[in-house]
Amino acid sequence: EIVLTQSPATLSLSPGERATLSCRASQSVSSYLAWYQQKPGQAPRLLIYDASNRATGIPARFSGSGSGTDFTLTISSLEPEDFAVYYCQQRSKGLTFGGGTKVEIK
Amino acid sequence: EVQLVESGGGLVQPGGSLRLSCAASGFTFSSYAMSWVRQAPGKGLEWVSAISGSGGSTYYADSVKGRFTISRDNSKNTLYLQMNSLRAEDTAVYYCAKDSPVARPNDAFDIWGQGTMVTVSS
Repeated sequence: EIVLTQSPATLSLSPGERATLSCRASQSVSSYLAWYQQKPGQAPRLLIYDASNRATGIPARFSGSGSGTDFTLTISSLEPEDFAVYYCQQRSKGLTFGGGTKVEIK
Repeated sequence: EVQLVESGGGLVQPGGSLRLSCAASGFTFSSYAMSWVRQAPGKGLEWVSAISGSGGSTYYADSVKGRFTISRDNSKNTLYLQMNSLRAEDTAVYYCAKDSPVARPNDAFDIWGQGTMVTVSS
C-alpha cells in the first residue's frame, strides 16, 4: 500500500498569508495526486487533480505542484473561508489518502 | 445541478447488517464510476469500494473485502453499499463520490454526497 504523509499536521496562519502544505508518498505516484478541502460537518471538495490541475470553480489562489513522491499545495493568500483540513489522495496503485493538514487561524 | 444524496445510515449492533443508498441526479449516472469513502469520527478519509459505470467491475479495500458489497441500479440512478458482519471499527460517516467515466489514475472524485452516519455499537 502506498502511504501518503502530510506535513505539517497543523498550520497556524493569518488571513492574507501564504500556506504551503506538503504530501509525501512512500513510492512514486507519478502525477496521480489530488487535493481535497474539508470543512467541519461538510463533505470533502476537490481542489486539484493530476497534481497541478485546478478543479472546476476553484480559485486561482490554490495551486498544486510536484511529481513522483513529493507534492505541494499552495494557497497564495489565505481567505477566511480557506481555514479547513486538506487531504491529498493518490490512485497510482490502489487508492489512499493522506492523514490531513489542518490550516487554522493564528 | 449535479447531486448525490446518501441514506440508510443508523445504529446497528456488532455483527449486524445495513444497506446504504446514494441517489444521483444531474448527470448521466451510468457513464461514471462511483466510490464509497468513509471517515471515522475525528479521523481522516478512507476509500472503501468502487464500481464501474456498467457495474461489471468492483473493487474493495482490504478492510471490508468479503463483508461489504457495492452495487448500482442504473435504471434508478442509485448506488448501494451492502454492509454485513459490521464491526465497531466500521463506525464512520459514509460518503458516495462521483468518479470519472473510466476511473483513470489521474482522475479524482469531483462530486461528493453529504454523507450518512453509521454507528456500530451494542
